[in-house]
Amino acid sequence: DAKTTQPNSMESNEEEPVHLPCNHSTISGTDYIHWYRQLPSQGPEYVIHGLTSNVNNRMASLAIAEDRKSSTLILHRATLRDAAVYYCILRDSKYSGAGSYQLTFGKGTKLSVIP
Amino acid sequence: ETGVTQSPTHLIKTRGQQVTLRCSSQSGHNTVSWYQQALGQGPQFIFQYYREEENGRGNFPPRFSGLQFPNYSSELNVNALELDDSALYLCASSLKGQGFQETQYFGPGTRLLVL
Repeated sequence: DAKTTQPNSMESNEEEPVHLPCNHSTISGTDYIHWYRQLPSQGPEYVIHGLTSNVNNRMASLAIAEDRKSSTLILHRATLRDAAVYYCILRDSKYSGAGSYQLTFGKGTKLSVIP
Repeated sequence: ETGVTQSPTHLIKTRGQQVTLRCSSQSGHNTVSWYQQALGQGPQFIFQYYREEENGRGNFPPRFSGLQFPNYSSELNVNALELDDSALYLCASSLKGQGFQETQYFGPGTRLLVL
């Protein structure tokens, strides 16, 4: 699987926008970019995914560089509830044999939100 | 709609013992994946079950085994426990057939401590 690189930690003030970067220089043309986050004492939860175009949903926005070698997860107004570890994951869109779509997690970025 | 549930929430075992962890998938989901998360690390894929059969496996030894039942619930069994097996064990359910868009929904995990 193609690898992703994220900063270990970031801080944000409450109610300010947060930009979480992810580098994936070896991304292939069929890799989708997925983001999950893990709140304290909980399992990970899906945030957003995209291929080439920027994507928006109720939780966040995903901005993808034109060359697709990097992407940025944008939280428009950070709240205390957004304090979590954010994981950037690449998922191949090709059907792969048995079809096991497991998630390959790195260490992610720990986001702290300051009141 | 009931989310993913796991039992027990915490467990303490001694080296050499065997353990069984349980997972009930989200309503309507037919696939269950298991992950191991060591302290400070991202979750690592153990295996996935679909239609009661193993459908992909990560880099874990055979003493890690599983089952999926007709109601799509699942068990993770670990034999001959080692100290390094101490971790948070996460179960995730999904609906197979959505390819790269298959979103995994995680339970809160079972924290296992091996002494």
